[in-house]
Amino acid sequence: NAGVTQTPKFQVLKTGQSMTLQCAQDMNHEYMSWYRQDPGMGLRLIHYSVGAGITDQGEVPNGYNVSRSTTEDFPLRLLSAAPSQTSVYFCASSYSRLYGYTFGSGTRLTVV
Amino acid sequence: EDQVTQSPEALRLQEGESSSLNCSYTVSGLRGLFWYRQDPGKGPEFLFTLYSAGEEKEKERLKATLTKKESFLHITAPKPEDSATYLCAGTSYDKVIFGPGTSLSVIP
Repeated sequence: NAGVTQTPKFQVLKTGQSMTLQCAQDMNHEYMSWYRQDPGMGLRLIHYSVGAGITDQGEVPNGYNVSRSTTEDFPLRLLSAAPSQTSVYFCASSYSRLYGYTFGSGTRLTVV
Repeated sequence: EDQVTQSPEALRLQEGESSSLNCSYTVSGLRGLFWYRQDPGKGPEFLFTLYSAGEEKEKERLKATLTKKESFLHITAPKPEDSATYLCAGTSYDKVIFGPGTSLSVIP
């Protein structure tokens, strides 16, 4: 069982570039979410999905886009990267919000 | 405003020195309180879910408890491998709020 797989592990972008962070899970979880983690601020929810074809915004959605075409995959798109998006990004999945999450190993993104 | 706070921010213990980490929450309609462990450079790892006041759960040297306003993670006779950041999170019907974490260092 791979669990939650995130790629890439590290990425450096120039301001204004776009990119997609990949997330895949093999546990047949309906609930998937993206978080960013910044020092001293805890994990903040960017977007989440309760099933294929259904997505919604979290606490800090601006500048990010998501889609959920399959149960397994939940990519996060940065539309036009800004230095404020420098962070560590985690994808997580679960049966529902009321169950513990399985997190991926994270993507460390630097925007210069 | 819903929020989750944790104290202390950092804790340094000698091996075998028991202690507790605190998680205080104000989450409207709390449905569950989660504890996670996070090692440097890795994603959080799920430890416990507590659903109601008075509930306790144990795993090896860790025991989590829940009251109506806070949760405690008790660490009994810690070992160096227990060094990590411990996160708590409160979930309601429509949101999950994470605390900033407590960084625990256990010195041999």
